[in-house]
Amino acid sequence: EAQVTQNPRYLITVTGKKLTVTCSQNMNHEYMSWYRQDPGLGLRQIYYSMNVEVTDKGDVPEGYKVSRKEKRNFPLILESPSPNQTSLYFCASSANRLFNTDTQYFGPGTRLTVL
Amino acid sequence: QQQVKQSPQSLIVQKGGISIINCAYENTAFDYFPWYQQFPGKGPALLIAIRPDVSEKKEGRFTISFNKSAKQFSLHIMDSQPGDSATYFCAASVETSGSRLTFGEGTQLTVNP
Repeated sequence: EAQVTQNPRYLITVTGKKLTVTCSQNMNHEYMSWYRQDPGLGLRQIYYSMNVEVTDKGDVPEGYKVSRKEKRNFPLILESPSPNQTSLYFCASSANRLFNTDTQYFGPGTRLTVL
Repeated sequence: QQQVKQSPQSLIVQKGGISIINCAYENTAFDYFPWYQQFPGKGPALLIAIRPDVSEKKEGRFTISFNKSAKQFSLHIMDSQPGDSATYFCAASVETSGSRLTFGEGTQLTVNP
């Protein structure tokens, strides 16, 4: 079954404690992205990757890091989380540029609370 | 600064009615306009998408209308069903940017039986 998996699904942490949210896809997709979803703001792109070792900033990259060492994995790293990073996070993958793919797959989401 | 503005924020429609959600964009370089549907506790799922070289695209009960000169596009859901109750997001992208998407704020649609 084609899917994007994220772990953990729920996380409560404290300010400053480094954390990593993992994302993995089993479709051999080139493109992967991270989004955060906040009420009234929709989804905002944090980082995206067009292939292994190729990443670029989205609209809200401050406070986040990513890496793409393998095609299937795209972890999101918060080196020093702050309360304003409390949000619902989604990972997504697609086979190619948007026009050339029929669909884009989103993961189930990770709800992060930073106290 | 929201580059894609979506309205209304919430919408209540009776079963069988037409649901209309509107989006307006600022960046004239946008050349791909998808709509996503999100159910509670789930990630968004691509519903339908349009390029600016056509003014309308229809897939089943879902239609995108696109007005390039007005920089607006809208989603019409015909014969709305309770199962359509979800949050809908419009988005826009520049093809050469790869998978970079700018989303609207979202519309929570409720279809009453």
